[in-house]
Amino acid sequence: AQSVTQLDSQVPVFEEAPVELRCNYSSSVSVYLFWYVQYPNQGLQLLLKYLSGSTLVKGINGFEAEFNKSQTSFHLRKPSVHISDTAEYFCAVSDRSRGAQKLVFGQGTRLTINP
Amino acid sequence: DAMVIQNPRYQVTQFGKPVTLSCSQTLNHNVMYWYQQKSSQAPKLLFHYYDKDFNNEADTPDNFQSRRPNTSFCFLDIRSPGLGDAAMYLCATSRAGGRTGELFFGEGSRLTVL
Repeated sequence: AQSVTQLDSQVPVFEEAPVELRCNYSSSVSVYLFWYVQYPNQGLQLLLKYLSGSTLVKGINGFEAEFNKSQTSFHLRKPSVHISDTAEYFCAVSDRSRGAQKLVFGQGTRLTINP
Repeated sequence: DAMVIQNPRYQVTQFGKPVTLSCSQTLNHNVMYWYQQKSSQAPKLLFHYYDKDFNNEADTPDNFQSRRPNTSFCFLDIRSPGLGDAAMYLCATSRAGGRTGELFFGEGSRLTVL
């Protein structure tokens, strides 16, 4: 069975500061990895994904993440955050199925940007 | 431009009164999912349709049912809502056989049970 652990439930950061949101996963098979963002009372929007290839993945809104197989981690980073980045961030994993992609989510990290 | 549309966005029902949430998609994806997200928690998969094949998660209560009359539409029926069913319900789609692994989510339907 797959599982995802997001190590921080809340991360407060000042505007224009860098941020890292941590994610570790466990799985007995090769996986796809994702970061989704959720703004209040909205659905989930894909930030970025790792399927294969380069371990450094760039996404939307200036975010990037690095896949580390030996540490089973997929941490999300942004060098300079903006007030509009305030949201809930979910790390997710799915197996490499060509059928349905059954995502398993972490508990989420609430990112709060302070002016 | 909305690709996965959920209605209604907000639903208030009374304890025990059946409710139906709908989801439609313009992506022509063959897989549709329903997730339940309780306050401050991660989304939890209830079930999914792969084409017309219904796939229930083992721990999804019998109170939750789903229908998919055609490729574009999928419904979530809650037969007798309890207070514990208050949550955001998220519909998502994906294309099986594709290589992106990505799910496309709707805006969600927030259910309040009085």
